[in-house]
Amino acid sequence: GAVVSQHPSRVICKSGTSVKIECRSLDFQATTMFWYRQFPKQSLMLMATSNEGSKATYEQGVEKDKFLINHASLTLSTLTVTSAHPEDSSFYICSARRRPRQGGRFSNQPQHFGDGTRLSIL
Amino acid sequence: AQSVTQPDIHITVSEGASLELRCNYSYGATPYLFWYVQSPGQGLQLLLKYFSGDTLVQGIKGFEAEFKRSQSSFNLRKPSVHWSDAAEYFCAVGRMDSSYKLIFGSGTRLLVRP
Repeated sequence: GAVVSQHPSRVICKSGTSVKIECRSLDFQATTMFWYRQFPKQSLMLMATSNEGSKATYEQGVEKDKFLINHASLTLSTLTVTSAHPEDSSFYICSARRRPRQGGRFSNQPQHFGDGTRLSIL
Repeated sequence: AQSVTQPDIHITVSEGASLELRCNYSYGATPYLFWYVQSPGQGLQLLLKYFSGDTLVQGIKGFEAEFKRSQSSFNLRKPSVHWSDAAEYFCAVGRMDSSYKLIFGSGTRLLVRP
């Protein structure tokens, strides 16, 4: 259980286009999803926290208008990189926290990660 | 401020040898601690987690980790490394405020000699 699917796995596109990345929890409901960015040989940098039915919370320094996040359902969150430029090229990874079963503790739920999306802007 | 330190950028071990990856954290309360593994070009897989109770935690793929409060450490161990264990390993501490964010260490790359 706890499978997170991220699509597409790789995107190559021209500068100025917008790119949408999907993150789905396949076998559980995810009330919270997270979006990370990872540069080569570095750790993960949290970009934003996405809660179902509400606006995303962005980390300091992350442009809200550049990285649009939508969390329309308990199993789907999307990240749209608008008007992408070469400096936006990176590896983007999403994660999801499972909604606990009745009586369970939300704080005990680990994050489950997708396989990432390699974005290359030419 | 909360932080996670993985002091070893690279570690090379021979196949069949034992492994220990170090992780130190700074957190004001009892932490929730995690170890994740990342293969090249892929996402992160949860190896194990510590929330409370027994300080020696068993995970998948034969890994274990021990929480030592006095040393603020959560080191990952495996008695016998396999070539398929070569990957990047990340230690993380979970913030237990309403954000539930993870704070990651910088990672340790494990290389396995045949």
